Amino acid sequence: DTAVSQTPKYLVTQMGNDKSIKCEQNLGHDTMYWYKQDSKKFLKIMFSYNNKELIINETVPNRFSPKSPDKAHLNLHINSLELGDSAVYFCASSQAGANEQFFGPGTRLTVL
Amino acid sequence: KQEVTQIPAALSVPEGENLVLNCSFTDSAIYNLQWFRQDPGKGLTSLLLIQSSQREQTSGRLNASLDKSSGRSTLYIAASQPGDSATYLCAVRPKGAQKLVFGQGTRLTINP
Repeated sequence: DTAVSQTPKYLVTQMGNDKSIKCEQNLGHDTMYWYKQDSKKFLKIMFSYNNKELIINETVPNRFSPKSPDKAHLNLHINSLELGDSAVYFCASSQAGANEQFFGPGTRLTVL
Repeated sequence: KQEVTQIPAALSVPEGENLVLNCSFTDSAIYNLQWFRQDPGKGLTSLLLIQSSQREQTSGRLNASLDKSSGRSTLYIAASQPGDSATYLCAVRPKGAQKLVFGQGTRLTINP
């Protein structure tokens, strides 16, 4: 029983393409997140959603558009991919409040 | 702006030793602090969560402490094993923000 799952695990694509990464959690949490881990392994918040509403957009280019169709899903769509978008993208979830965050296995995006 | 620092960046010790990993943060206004483990090419596994009102948390051979006023946390690993080899990440949740701010991690190697 995977708590936070992401698809795909690996994504290799050309510059300029549009791609999506999907995330689902079965923990009943009301808050979901996207984090980016760069080549130096530094993890940084991109977006945070609570009850399907955007609450954090941490200076991410507008080529990145998160979409939350329901509380259990938070997808990340990226337009016009650039070389610098290559990274590992992690989805996470938690219950609102001072609660533990649980992370998915990550999606390794490589832009050629 | 909250910043999190982990020292050392890498640590190599013989099996069986007790060890301490350090984490410091610049702003004491936090909800909680979370320690994670990341294995190469894998996602993040939550190890311990310490709320801002707590001083320490224990799970098996792991003990995490929090001194909020001085902006420090330590992760103590007792009787280390080769299976403990991984990168350990510290993250704080700032007050008023639904996100985690991460340190850059300590890469731990336990030698048999």
